[in-house]
Amino acid sequence: AQSVTQPDIHITVSEGASLELRCNYSYGATPYLFWYVQSPGQGLQLLLKYFSGDTLVQGIKGFEAEFKRSQSSFNLRKPSVHWSDAAEYFCAVVIQGAQKLVFGQGTRLTINP
Amino acid sequence: NAGVTQTPKFRVLKTGQSMTLLCAQDMNHEYMYWYRQDPGMGLRLIHYSVGEGTTAKGEVPDGYNVSRLKKQNFLLGLESAAPSQTSVYFCASSYRSGGLYNEQFFGPGTRLTVL
Repeated sequence: AQSVTQPDIHITVSEGASLELRCNYSYGATPYLFWYVQSPGQGLQLLLKYFSGDTLVQGIKGFEAEFKRSQSSFNLRKPSVHWSDAAEYFCAVVIQGAQKLVFGQGTRLTINP
Repeated sequence: NAGVTQTPKFRVLKTGQSMTLLCAQDMNHEYMYWYRQDPGMGLRLIHYSVGEGTTAKGEVPDGYNVSRLKKQNFLLGLESAAPSQTSVYFCASSYRSGGLYNEQFFGPGTRLTVL
């Protein structure tokens, strides 16, 4: 089945440390991929998206993601996290044939001071 | 510009009761969506609308009905609430051009508990 998987339910990093959140997709055609962030008590906000072209995508808040077709991955990275980055992060993929956006299970990020 | 707003923010229902969740957007978006968010399951699409007067089923439509009588409003109804419908409900909207490939703008959510 076409899907998106976030293997890590919860990640804790120290403030100032680097971050990588994993996202793997299962989809035969060229995927259209998104990362959204959900701050506590709020709705989701788009961080970045990949449709085609350069496989390294820059987003808001200093985040970037790299599309790797050979690994079916679209991992989110940030060189140095801030306490305000504590949130839940969702990877999502557009399933073109079914005309729907499918979300991963989410990864909750905790920042240690 | 309020973006996407949802009413109410919290609600507790008893099994069998009915209620309507209201979503409003002031961005003139054509597409609107209702999702539910459950622990460990991400967001799942309940129903969506590609324009005023049109609605369609999403991934988990059973037990819910929707209406889009005005472009800016999208209502989600529960006719007979069940404990399995305890969840956080999010409304979202987006421009038509590009469809699902567009950024979706989300409301703050409604936390519903069904006892």
